[in-house]
Amino acid sequence: DIQLTQSPASLSASVGDSVTITCRASQSVARFLNWYQQKPGEAPKLLIYAASSLGNGVPSRFSGRGSGTDFTLTINSLQPEDFATYYCQQSNSAPDTFGQGTRLEIK
Amino acid sequence: QLHESGPGLVKPSETLSLTCTVSGDSITGYYWTWIRQPAGKGLEWIGRIYITGSTYYNPSLRSRVTMSMDTSKNQLSLKLTSVTAADTAVYYCATFRNNAFDIWGQGTMVSVSS
Repeated sequence: DIQLTQSPASLSASVGDSVTITCRASQSVARFLNWYQQKPGEAPKLLIYAASSLGNGVPSRFSGRGSGTDFTLTINSLQPEDFATYYCQQSNSAPDTFGQGTRLEIK
Repeated sequence: QLHESGPGLVKPSETLSLTCTVSGDSITGYYWTWIRQPAGKGLEWIGRIYITGSTYYNPSLRSRVTMSMDTSKNQLSLKLTSVTAADTAVYYCATFRNNAFDIWGQGTMVSVSS
């Protein structure tokens, strides 16, 4: 199975800040890397697919980059509704796997 | 929209059976996925199914999982046999398009306990 390691595991930031979350794969996943946002008590929501394509209705302050084994999710100008847990996920090689999550908290 | 349903409580060693009802779209033409999440933990991919009947299961669960589709009811189903406490989780169904899980149900909580 392909392992996905996210860093940091958690971070604190303020409204208006920009943050970057990293996802590293144990082997190449090409660009089959997706990012999800999950708020407490809710299902995950697709933010970014194919490493850098914005999901339906996702604000442009979210962006993704990378290919192969190293990927980033950047959120510019944090809004109150962005404080949540973020997961990366690969679909290059079954079984599909997820990172362990990054919890973004308000400072 | 996707809506998961099933018994909230299953006894150890029994079979967990869940249904995902799809509204507003046909289940034909897409891959469909089941994913689960134990309380306070991360996401685990269970497997996916296509209208052709092709299935891909997580090797860690393959011996206990069966997925199926009922096009007449526009429903998906998940069966997991010989459950233990480790199978306690929120179970989600989701579409798999553009190699991503783009639409999710709200999830259904399943507890395994005697």
